[in-house]
Parts: sequence; C-alpha cells; structure tokens
Amino acid sequence: AQSVTQPDIHITVSEGASLELRCNYSYGATPYLFWYVQSPGQGLQLLLKYFSGDTLVQGIKGFEAEFKRSQSSFNLRKPSVHWSDAAEYFCAVPTGANNLFFGTGTRLTVIP
Amino acid sequence: DTEVTQTPKHLVMGMTNKKSLKCEQHMGHRAMYWYKQKAKKPPELMFVYSYEKLSINESVPSRFSPECPNSSLLNLHLHALQPEDSALYLCASSQTRPGTEAFFGQGTRLTVV
Repeated sequence: AQSVTQPDIHITVSEGASLELRCNYSYGATPYLFWYVQSPGQGLQLLLKYFSGDTLVQGIKGFEAEFKRSQSSFNLRKPSVHWSDAAEYFCAVPTGANNLFFGTGTRLTVIP
Repeated sequence: DTEVTQTPKHLVMGMTNKKSLKCEQHMGHRAMYWYKQKAKKPPELMFVYSYEKLSINESVPSRFSPECPNSSLLNLHLHALQPEDSALYLCASSQTRPGTEAFFGQGTRLTVV
C-alpha cells in the first residue's frame, strides 16, 4: 500500500534561512504526492502537488518540492523562511481513490 | 469558491448527548471525507462518500454516524461519545478523478466531558 514517512518530527530554523523538509514515499509506480500545511488549531492547506512530468513543482507561499524517484523522496524546500511559516507540515499520498494517507508531520519553528 | 465550511468551530458535549457536525462545499465535488485528528498526530480517515454514497468506513465505532443528504452537505452525527473521542474533526472534499487534491475545512474542535 502507498505510504509516506517524514523522518523529522521537529525542525527549527532562523528567519531568512533556507528550509528543507523530508518526505519519503513507498509505492511501486509513480505516485501522486502532496504537501499540506496546518497552522495550530486550523485545517489543512495545500501547498503543492506532484502528479507526473516536471519533477520540480512550484507551490504557494514560495515553496517548492522536488520528486526524486531514485531516492523515493519528495522533499519540500523554501529558500528564505518567514516567521509566518511556523506550522505543521504534512506530506500525503492518496490511497484507494483520493482519500489521503498522511505522514506523521514535521513541526517547524522559526526563530527571529 | 474553494471553501469547505464546517460548523460549529468548537463543541463541548457530555457522554449522553447527541450532536451533529456539519460540512458544506460548493465546488461541485462529488467526494467528501471525514478525518479525525488527535493532538500532535496526522489526520486519520474515518469515512468517504462518493456521489452521496458511503464508500469507505474505516472501522469507525457506531457512535459516529455519517450522512450525506446531498452533493454539497456532509454531516457527522455523534451519540454516546467517550472522552477519548475528543479531537479535531476535519471535513474535506475533492473531485472523484484520481490524484486530485482535497480541500479541507477549518475543523470542529470537539471536547467530550
């Protein structure tokens, strides 16, 4: 079955520094992959998605992600983090139809 | 309109109460979902409706009863809940075409006392 793992539970970065959040997927064929962000007590907002084609995907809020089949990874990146990026980030893969299996999440703390 | 609206935002209920959570979307999506999210955990799928028919029930206890009265509305009826059912309940919707993204509501924070 499709699944994703996020190895980092918590990451702290300084404002203005670059960011990379890791996501590894387990699936034989090329998967659909998503990154969602969740602010405390809020719902989830889609940052970006990968279906096929170009392996570098651009999303909202200045985020991008790169699909690497050889490494089974779909890491999220941002060149310069803002304090408002502090949140929980989830990588997800559809199972069955479009219901999602979420990774365990990475909590991002941004320090001034 | 890319919004999924959930009401209420917060709900406190006793273990003998009956309450309902509501979810509405006007994006023409024919798949709707209920997820449960405990603190510091990822969302977990509870139910999936496709074309107003229940297609997936992830072995959820019968004290949770979903309902999809039409293509825009999704309800979750709650009865005789336990304190461990306290969580954030998230509604989502999507097109039925594989690989399309799900849009989430802001959730209902449920506390069972």
